[in-house]
Amino acid sequence: AQKITQTQPGMFVQEKEAVTLDCTYDTSDPSYGLFWYKQPSSGEMIFLIYQGSYDQQNATEGRYSLNFQKARKSANLVISASQLGDSAMYFCAMRPKRQAGTALIFGKGTTLSVSS
Amino acid sequence: DAEITQSPRHKITETGRQVTLACHQTWNHNNMFWYRQDLGHGLRLIHYSYGVQDTNKGEVSDGYSVSRSNTEDLPLTLESAASSQTSVYFCASSPASGSRAQFFGPGTRLTVL
Repeated sequence: AQKITQTQPGMFVQEKEAVTLDCTYDTSDPSYGLFWYKQPSSGEMIFLIYQGSYDQQNATEGRYSLNFQKARKSANLVISASQLGDSAMYFCAMRPKRQAGTALIFGKGTTLSVSS
Repeated sequence: DAEITQSPRHKITETGRQVTLACHQTWNHNNMFWYRQDLGHGLRLIHYSYGVQDTNKGEVSDGYSVSRSNTEDLPLTLESAASSQTSVYFCASSPASGSRAQFFGPGTRLTVL
């Protein structure tokens, strides 16, 4: 079964510290994409970063990086130098190539709280 | 700037009523999707479309329908609203295959009393 698992319901970090949000996935497809989205309290879904299953290097976008370990089926999001504005819900998602076209399968999310 | 909009942003309705949620995108994307977000479940796929006249059921399609008469719009209809359909609904779009990101609308909060 295609599935995304986020085991951390909530994470707490202080400003300027780095934080890792965990994500594991399950798919039998050899080709797939992995995504992270941020949902602040205002409710919108903001795309952060993408990793393709055949990409040789881990994806990076500014302070966000994706620690992709294919053999372990994990795609953890690393946020460096946390800021107060990073407080939000974070969703890991997968696009299995052969399921529902380009629709995404989402995990249940992790709430990140950044304190000063 | 291209965007994806949803209306209404908030809706309260009664059990048994028909409700239609609008989604409009100006990205000219072929693929459009409807998801619902509930506490403890993340986002789950309701329906999706790959283009005009194409519609497909997702994981939680019972009680919902969509139609695609043009590229820009994918309205979601609740035929007979139920309290279990109280949720936040997100519309999303993406280009044809090969796209890296799916772009989301701002969401519609629906309450069924």
